[in-house]
Amino acid sequence: AQTVTQSQPEMSVQEAETVTLSCTYDTSENNYYLFWYKQPPSRQMILVIRQEAYKQQNATENRFSVNFQKAAKSFSLKISDSQLGDTAMYFCAFMIRFARGGQGNLIFGKGTKLSVKP
Amino acid sequence: DGGITQSPKYLFRKEGQNVTLSCEQNLNHDAMYWYRQDPGQGLRLIYYSQIVNDFQKGDIAEGYSVSREKKESFPLTVTSAQKNPTAFYLCASSIDRVAGELFFGEGSRLTVL
Repeated sequence: AQTVTQSQPEMSVQEAETVTLSCTYDTSENNYYLFWYKQPPSRQMILVIRQEAYKQQNATENRFSVNFQKAAKSFSLKISDSQLGDTAMYFCAFMIRFARGGQGNLIFGKGTKLSVKP
Repeated sequence: DGGITQSPKYLFRKEGQNVTLSCEQNLNHDAMYWYRQDPGQGLRLIYYSQIVNDFQKGDIAEGYSVSREKKESFPLTVTSAQKNPTAFYLCASSIDRVAGELFFGEGSRLTVL
């Protein structure tokens, strides 16, 4: 069975600084996707960034980047130049990609609550 | 605008009553999902549907039922058999089960008194 672990229940960062959220996962599969989702106080989940396991290059979306270490099964999220609007719950998620097409279900970690302070 | 609409946003019910949560999408997505969110638990999959008239149980389907009579709609019924129904419920959809990205509604908060 696949599991996703986020070891930091809560974190805080000063505005304009950089913060890294940790995520580890456990799987015996070789092909999969990894995601970071953001859930602001409005409660609507939004996709932040996505990584395909077969791609060695780390994904980047503006101020958000990941450090994907496949051998270590680690998938951390770095937020640069933190903004007040980044305050939210952040969920790491995992999804198997089947060889014959299709995918498994999204498996979520328990989340990290990030507070950006002015 | 395209998106996913969940209703109601807040719902209070007495213990023993069935409750149906609505989820409608106008994104023309094939797959739809229901998740339950509890504090400190992350999201857990209740049911999902890849096509009309077909759906599959997720990890915590007991006490819930769904239907998928139309592509746009995927209502969730929380039955009296669900032992701890008070939670935040999220509906999501994706283009198909190959795309990998889910789009979420704003959620429904159910409180059972």
